[in-house]
Amino acid sequence: NAGVTQTPKFQVLKTGQSMTLQCAQDMNHEYMSWYRQDPGMGLRLIHYSVGAGITDQGEVPNGYNVSRSTTEDFPLRLLSAAPSQTSVYFCASSYSLGQGQETQYFGPGTRLLVL
Amino acid sequence: GQQVMQIPQYQHVQEGEDFTTYCNSSTTLSNIQWYKQRPGGHPVFLIQLVKSGEVKKQKRLTFQFGEAKKNSSLHITATQTTDVGTYFCAGNQAGTALIFGKGTTLSVSS
Repeated sequence: NAGVTQTPKFQVLKTGQSMTLQCAQDMNHEYMSWYRQDPGMGLRLIHYSVGAGITDQGEVPNGYNVSRSTTEDFPLRLLSAAPSQTSVYFCASSYSLGQGQETQYFGPGTRLLVL
Repeated sequence: GQQVMQIPQYQHVQEGEDFTTYCNSSTTLSNIQWYKQRPGGHPVFLIQLVKSGEVKKQKRLTFQFGEAKKNSSLHITATQTTDVGTYFCAGNQAGTALIFGKGTTLSVSS
């Protein structure tokens, strides 16, 4: 198993550009989520999904869109990048959100710089 | 909404000293998890606590879940340089998204 994979590893954008951060998992996990990590702010939840076709907003959803058309993939879209979106982005997955199956498996992260 | 607070934000210790980080939730949790993130890496799962008052040990690490299921702690005995990193707690109520604390960054000097 590859676990959780993320692409790209690094990205530089100009303000106003759009891009999609890719996330895929091969563990047949129902729950997937996106976090951003900024110095001193910990891991903040952007969006999450409890299954294909179902998404919901987290703590900091503004400026980001997601979709979940398959169990394996959960892309994160930045429609018009802003310098405030400079961050490290982590995708994570788990079997579920209950019954003791919440263990999160994290991808290696995408480091994004918006100029 | 649910909030998870973690203290201290930073801790520096001499190798061999003990270390403790504390986690407090604004709501009762169904479970709490602890993760470790090495510098430049991604968070890695350490342990999950589910029962009120639960205590679990992993070698030099001791994890506790409070009786009210609103607080938790991680204690490291006799720290080593390999313990360096940021320790996060995370919790949720059943069926809700997992919320992370801001983490405690541990540095260890030999």
